[in-house]
Amino acid sequence: ETGVTQSPTHLIKTRGQQVTLRCSSQSGHNTVSWYQQALGQGPQFIFQYYREEENGRGNFPPRFSGLQFPNYSSELNVNALELDDSALYLCASSLGSGRLNEQYFGPGTRLTVT
Amino acid sequence: DQQVKQNSPSLSVQEGRISILNCDYTNSMFDYFLWYKKYPAEGPTFLISISSIKDKNEDGRFTVFLNKSAKHLSLHIVPSQPGDSAVYFCQPDKLIFGTGTRLQVFP
Repeated sequence: ETGVTQSPTHLIKTRGQQVTLRCSSQSGHNTVSWYQQALGQGPQFIFQYYREEENGRGNFPPRFSGLQFPNYSSELNVNALELDDSALYLCASSLGSGRLNEQYFGPGTRLTVT
Repeated sequence: DQQVKQNSPSLSVQEGRISILNCDYTNSMFDYFLWYKKYPAEGPTFLISISSIKDKNEDGRFTVFLNKSAKHLSLHIVPSQPGDSAVYFCQPDKLIFGTGTRLQVFP
């Protein structure tokens, strides 16, 4: 059973550019959540996808968007990058979107915006 | 508005002693609480949870206590081991994490 993987590990982008981060869920999991973790902070919820549909969204602007594919892998897209978008981006998969469904996190993608 | 706070950014404990990590929340509707542990370059991993119908849950060296009236929970690790050195996050709701406490256990 493979765990949650994310790519790339690190990424450097320039302000104004667009970025796509990828996440491969743990086998059998149909729900994926994305989090942004700024330095010294806890993870902040961006959005969740359940069976390819957005199933909840945190306080992030529309330039943060996502996709979940039929194989339950997922992408996080960020347009018009800002310096404050520099953070660790974590995805977590779970079997079900309920509150009691344990989440399994990937190692994250470190994004630096210059 | 921060719905959950971990007021100690860091904690240093000697091996074998007890580590106590605290978490305060504001929303009385929270009814299921989790603790995660995070090592550098890894994602958070689930550690222990507690439902609001309980005030204590124990799993080996880890015990979580919940005080609903005070909106406070704590994680006790005893005895602490060097491998416990990590950042610990409380999660009072599936989508909300605390700011984390960095625990260092020294020999």
